[in-house]
Amino acid sequence: ETGVTQSPTHLIKTRGQQVTLRCSSQSGHNTVSWYQQALGQGPQFIFQYYREEENGRGNFPPRFSGLQFPNYSSELNVNALELDDSALYLCASSHDQTPASFYEQYFGPGTRLTVT
Amino acid sequence: SQKIEQNSEALNIQEGKTATLTCNYTNYSPAYLQWYRQDPGRGPVFLLLIRENEKEKRKERLKVTFDTTLKQSLFHITASQPADSATYLCALPLSGGYNKLIFGAGTRLAVHP
Repeated sequence: ETGVTQSPTHLIKTRGQQVTLRCSSQSGHNTVSWYQQALGQGPQFIFQYYREEENGRGNFPPRFSGLQFPNYSSELNVNALELDDSALYLCASSHDQTPASFYEQYFGPGTRLTVT
Repeated sequence: SQKIEQNSEALNIQEGKTATLTCNYTNYSPAYLQWYRQDPGRGPVFLLLIRENEKEKRKERLKVTFDTTLKQSLFHITASQPADSATYLCALPLSGGYNKLIFGAGTRLAVHP
């Protein structure tokens, strides 16, 4: 186990609705990244937070937003859901205590979002 | 734009044999490359990182090579076991962004007894 948890495990929403997904990282992991993984594809980078500030964003529209909290938890919010948003959403955390540790990301089990 | 290609065909091998998976990339010169394992319904698990100045890296039964001229990495599992059956993902840092990764689609490995 990586020590990274995500909730909920599964979620079904209707097109146009809003959703909040949650991630809890290991203590001390000050970097969290969110990825979207469509069926049969590799994870696609959404954005990253470092010490509660956004630290880079992938090719996703502004309706994808996030937050990182001081207690090493984070949220991914998606507004105006579209059918193509159906995917597995993964969070990954890491820490910068050593150069080697910065590059090793610990992924959570993911939240499976279905938009109907 | 950056692109990663992994063999989309599943790789089926017999237990005890060596599995070799390929990762090719284009339009890019990454500082490092990573390999992850992903089981169905689970998040990826970090396996190995190899830097651009390293030709080869080993960890137990795993070996990774990194050829920056060919823009290719090979991932080997020696003495494979049925428990090694999973999807293996290759990942590179996004241009200008450490720890922000671009992943290949993965190759599914099935090891048969």
